[in-house]
Amino acid sequence: QKEVEQNSGPLSVPEGAIASLNCTYSDRGSQSFFWYRQYSGKSPELIMFIYSNGDKEDGRFTAQLNKASQYVSLLIRDSQPSDSATYLCAVKRVGGGYQKVTFGTGTKLQVIP
Amino acid sequence: EAGVAQSPRYKIIEKRQSVAFWCNPISGHATLYWYQQILGQGPKLLIQFQNNGVVDDSQLPKDRFSAERLKGVDSTLKIQPAKLEDSAVYLCASSLQGAPEKLFFGSGTQLSVL
Repeated sequence: QKEVEQNSGPLSVPEGAIASLNCTYSDRGSQSFFWYRQYSGKSPELIMFIYSNGDKEDGRFTAQLNKASQYVSLLIRDSQPSDSATYLCAVKRVGGGYQKVTFGTGTKLQVIP
Repeated sequence: EAGVAQSPRYKIIEKRQSVAFWCNPISGHATLYWYQQILGQGPKLLIQFQNNGVVDDSQLPKDRFSAERLKGVDSTLKIQPAKLEDSAVYLCASSLQGAPEKLFFGSGTQLSVL
């Protein structure tokens, strides 16, 4: 079982719709969860992180965490063509006395004008 | 604030040749990471430094890959000899100690092994 799993997509949504991106993780000891956006040919950039169960909102983005189900999601409201990118889920856990961040394979999002 | 600097931006080599990548992290960032990202996949951690000590190199193919971080600042990642499957983007990232979630990535080096 992979540490962090995502559907590779592509996920296609029309402009203005809500895009829902999902991620599951295997280690129950994981502490923090992140969403990075990566445009084609570019490096990942952090857009959201969440520590506690529930929702965290930042503008059009909402991160949701359910530790019991080991599930993290990212909702993008009013999707725009500029949101078209690959979204990487990342998980932080402590092991061997240091903190480690592991990335999923990413979900490619296409927002259709 | 200057970002993470990486060079070269692109590199094309033939298999069995050697190659080196350089990274300069954000000033004051104690933790430095090298990730390998193969096309269509997520970044895979190769090695993580805390200051100039290695804290994780469990996924580094040590028979061909090596890395060092001089004086806890710049870092170099080397591949010798390169294989076709090493074709990937090599990303360097840095973070403040204790805050690994905020990884700041460099622009990466795209390596093609022919």
